[in-house]
This record gives sequence, C-alpha cells and structure tokens, in this order.
Amino acid sequence: GEQVEQLPSSLIVQEGASVLINCSYTDSASVYFPWYKQEPGKRLQFIIDIRSNMERKQNQRLTLLFDKKTKHLSLHITATQPGDSAIYFCSASPQGGRALIFGTGTTVSVSP
Amino acid sequence: GPKVLQIPSHQIIDMGQMVTLNCDPVSNHLYFYWYKQILGQQMEFLVNFYNGKVMEKSKLFKDQFSVERPDGSYFTLKIQPTALEDSAVYFCASSLGLGSYEQYFGPGTRLTVL
Repeated sequence: GEQVEQLPSSLIVQEGASVLINCSYTDSASVYFPWYKQEPGKRLQFIIDIRSNMERKQNQRLTLLFDKKTKHLSLHITATQPGDSAIYFCSASPQGGRALIFGTGTTVSVSP
Repeated sequence: GPKVLQIPSHQIIDMGQMVTLNCDPVSNHLYFYWYKQILGQQMEFLVNFYNGKVMEKSKLFKDQFSVERPDGSYFTLKIQPTALEDSAVYFCASSLGLGSYEQYFGPGTRLTVL
C-alpha cells in the first residue's frame, strides 16, 4: 500500500527565516495531496493541497511544489512566525473522498 | 471555519468492554472518516463512510469495530470487545464531497483500555 515519508522529522528556525519540508510517496495511483498543521493541543488544520495535474500551488506564505516523476512534494514556508510552530503532516490519497495516508510529520519550532 | 465535534474527549475502559466514540460532523458533509493515532506514531486511516455504507477500510479496522450514522445523527465508532492495543487517540473527520474533498478533523477522543 501507499507509504508517505517526511524529512526532516524536526527543525528549529529563527523567526523570519524560511522552512522547507520534504515529502515522498510510493503509490503512483495517489493524485490528491493535502497538508495539515497540528499546533500543540489543537486539532489538525488543513493548510494547503495540490492535485497531481499541478506542479505548484501558493497560499500566502505557503508554496507547495509537486513532482510527479519523482513522487516528491515540498512545502516552503516563508517569513516564519512563532504561530507557525506546529507539526506539519503531508498526506496522499488516490482520489477525493478516499482514505488519507499520512506522513510521519515534521515538527517545526520557530524561535523569536 | 466548520468544526467537527467529538464526544467524549477522553474515555477510560476495562479490556473486554464495549465503547462507542461519537462524532458530530460538519452539518452538510457527506463523507465521514475515522483515523487512529497511537502516541508518538503517525495518524492511520481506519474507515470511511458515505451514503450509509462503508466505502473502504484498512487492516486496522478489525472485526470488533463497526461504524454507523443512524438518521443523520452522530457518526459512531463502536469497539466490542476492546483490547489493550486499542488504546490510542481516535480522530473523526468529514468532507463535503461534490468536488470538495478537504477533510475537517475533530479534536480527537483519547481512549485508554486498561
């Protein structure tokens, strides 16, 4: 079945710097890739998604890149703020409405 | 934004007993999901549900598990009987469908089986 890996598992950045989170998947049948953020003690919050017919998507300070050939995604967060401190999860699905297979998560800590 | 509610937030139960976890999905959503997360591990899909039926389930969705949503009320996950390895946080999610498949997650129910 599908496997989703994320790197790094954790990182620390200075406020204002950028962050890059890498995600890879194994199943070429996956076509929908939502990302979620989980702040301490809070529920998963959807932040951005991309479909396999796109290469790039941007939402304010978030840019998501997708490479179908290498089965690789990367999430770029610019101008980080303390509120960006959270665990970020990549996920993959063969189509909308189906199971999400989650990655291992990346813990981002933004220091003031 | 829309919120999924889960009741209770924490449940402690003796091994072998039955437990029902309740989820109040976003009101007009059509797709419902349960996920399981053991402490320190990644979130894992259990089951999804649409139009009154299970659409797909993972190997974690054992025979002791069942789901239902009678007459538009709570979407429930029942475990009967419970086992020690069922201790985890269970997350409910819902999505609208109709071309919009973003899944909205509840806060989770922490289940402890003694």
